Amino acid sequence: DADVTQTPRNRITKTGKRIMLECSQTKGHDRMYWYRQDPGLGLRLIYYSFDVKDINKGEISDGYSVSRQAQAKFSLSLESAIPNQTALYFCATSETGRQETQYFGPGTRLLVL
Amino acid sequence: QKEVEQDPGPLSVPEGAIVSLNCTYSNSAFQYFMWYRQYSRKGPELLMYTYSSGNKEDGRFTAQVDKSSKYISLFIRDSQPSDSATYLCAMIRTSYDKVIFGPGTSLSVIP
Repeated sequence: DADVTQTPRNRITKTGKRIMLECSQTKGHDRMYWYRQDPGLGLRLIYYSFDVKDINKGEISDGYSVSRQAQAKFSLSLESAIPNQTALYFCATSETGRQETQYFGPGTRLLVL
Repeated sequence: QKEVEQDPGPLSVPEGAIVSLNCTYSNSAFQYFMWYRQYSRKGPELLMYTYSSGNKEDGRFTAQVDKSSKYISLFIRDSQPSDSATYLCAMIRTSYDKVIFGPGTSLSVIP
């Protein structure tokens, strides 16, 4: 089984809808991250969490929120989806003090109409 | 100016060629330099990382860092069709800091 899993893998939604992307990991890592990937822009950090009680904004957090339900689970929500949130979303994990080594999930492809 | 720049390609080479992938960066505080490989419809996976300047070799892959020029490279020897992927450079100031990724270079190795 994969160490970092994401659900759903693909999602089509309409403008204004609320959606949630989920991430689970079995690596036992404390640190978890949400990135979005757009062509030509690379991976950009949305939110990150150092442990269950420590959540931090990344460079592009506007329009997104997160919840760290447990060490192994980190969810990303789009409260009111808009078309420019169409992107590929990745969850990642790392050990504390080893952020150069991140383990990524398979990604969620999101289309907002 | 973006913190990390990378030619997006696409780069197409014949099987067996030596491939050179490069990134430039602007922040001289970066100390860890990583290369991630991303296959189509998959998440990135860490290929190798280097601390500070110098070379690091792992099989057919060699990572090179020139901090004086703010330039890093990944060389792939005897390239194989299975090396066809997007290669993302990434860097970080300390192992506790946030990672900054380049936009990636798409590589195709033609049999």
